Amino acid sequence: DTEVTQTPKHLVMGMTNKKSLKCEQHMGHRAMYWYKQKAKKPPELMFVYSYEKLSINESVPSRFSPECPNSSLLNLHLHALQPEDSALYLCASSPIHDNPNYGYTFGSGTRLTVV
Amino acid sequence: AQTVTQSQPEMSVQEAETVTLSCTYDTSESDYYLFWYKQPPSRQMILVIRQEAYKQQNATENRFSVNFQKAAKSFSLKISDSQLGDAAMYFCAYRVNAGGTSYGKLTFGQGTILTVHP
Repeated sequence: DTEVTQTPKHLVMGMTNKKSLKCEQHMGHRAMYWYKQKAKKPPELMFVYSYEKLSINESVPSRFSPECPNSSLLNLHLHALQPEDSALYLCASSPIHDNPNYGYTFGSGTRLTVV
Repeated sequence: AQTVTQSQPEMSVQEAETVTLSCTYDTSESDYYLFWYKQPPSRQMILVIRQEAYKQQNATENRFSVNFQKAAKSFSLKISDSQLGDAAMYFCAYRVNAGGTSYGKLTFGQGTILTVHP
């Protein structure tokens, strides 16, 4: 299995809703990432987990709450979002240690619309 | 802070022709990695090619090759024999090699939209 799987593919939520995005990989990667991408813009890093611990938080508002329950799973909990949070949310994973496969593996993303 | 600049918002090429996408970067580090990622309308970011800064030899992957000029901090992507399936947004990306670890923050350029004409 060489994929990063993200669910759901599309999500529409109201500003008072609570929802979660899910990301799963079975490649044995111990680093996992959340990126936010606006249309025709580059991805922006939100969070990095290494060995299931949060190692980088790029000053993301607290309405976004990440969770890494185990080495294969990464969640992003959403609460009280704003319309400007509408974007494509990409999950990625990579090995921790030097490895010939230096690139990240990205999922196909969740297209989030906040109404 | 590291920055990555792609000066061509859009490029176009005829099928079977060659196109070069430009990328420059700014860093004070000496050991780092550079990448080109492709993002088609399906949204998934796909790794096209990668280059280790300490390697002088330019990386190649089938029809894709790079021209890495470390002193000039330039990292261009050449696509030969362009195919319709190459149409996508292409991102240049940089990551420092931090203590031999293979993870960390990817810094992306603004992207170049490539159109391939039949």
